[in-house]
Amino acid sequence: KAGVTQTPRYLIKTRGQQVTLSCSPISGHRSVSWYQQTPGQGLQFLFEYFSETQRNKGNFPGRFSGRQFSNSRSEMNVSTLELGDSALYLCASSLVWGTDGEQYFGPGTRLTVT
Amino acid sequence: AQSVTQLGSHVSVSEGALVLLRCNYSSSVPPYLFWYVQYPNQGLQLLLKYTSAATLVKGINGFEAEFKKSETSFHLTKPSAHMSDAAEYFCAVSATGGGNKLTFGTGTQLKVEL
Repeated sequence: KAGVTQTPRYLIKTRGQQVTLSCSPISGHRSVSWYQQTPGQGLQFLFEYFSETQRNKGNFPGRFSGRQFSNSRSEMNVSTLELGDSALYLCASSLVWGTDGEQYFGPGTRLTVT
Repeated sequence: AQSVTQLGSHVSVSEGALVLLRCNYSSSVPPYLFWYVQYPNQGLQLLLKYTSAATLVKGINGFEAEFKKSETSFHLTKPSAHMSDAAEYFCAVSATGGGNKLTFGTGTQLKVEL
């Protein structure tokens, strides 16, 4: 069974631009979560989607948004990029929402903002 | 709110020696606890999880962890370190009824020396 896939793997953007990252969960998994990983802040939860609805949201500004499609694939968008948005963005999938939190992570998208 | 604290951002052991990575949790409700490993330029891989079924949890690659409520700890151990164990290890917690949101510790970089 294929794992979580994220595209693109690497991305370089300029301040002020916007970016869209994509995540395809493990087949059959219906919950998708997003995390930001930086050297300074570590791993931080962004949001979680299940059945196309946002179920949880972390403490990030409104520039960070996401959505989930009917096939469970998810995208996250960051508008008006700032230098501090440079990070590894990780997507994780779970079978359902609201169980024990077990998640499977993708390889991440490395975003560099210049 | 739940949180985890990982003691020691860097741990160095000799190959064949015991690995002990420390994690203490804080949670107002019975938590679910996890250990993940991250190799360079990769996502997170689940090592093991605690969901109250048994206090001693065995995971992949010879790792295990023991849940001790009296000490609010969930330390990760491996009897004999291998060079391939060198990676960063993260302890994480999710709250029952809180969806799949994970709160991570700051991570422990494990170095294995010959």
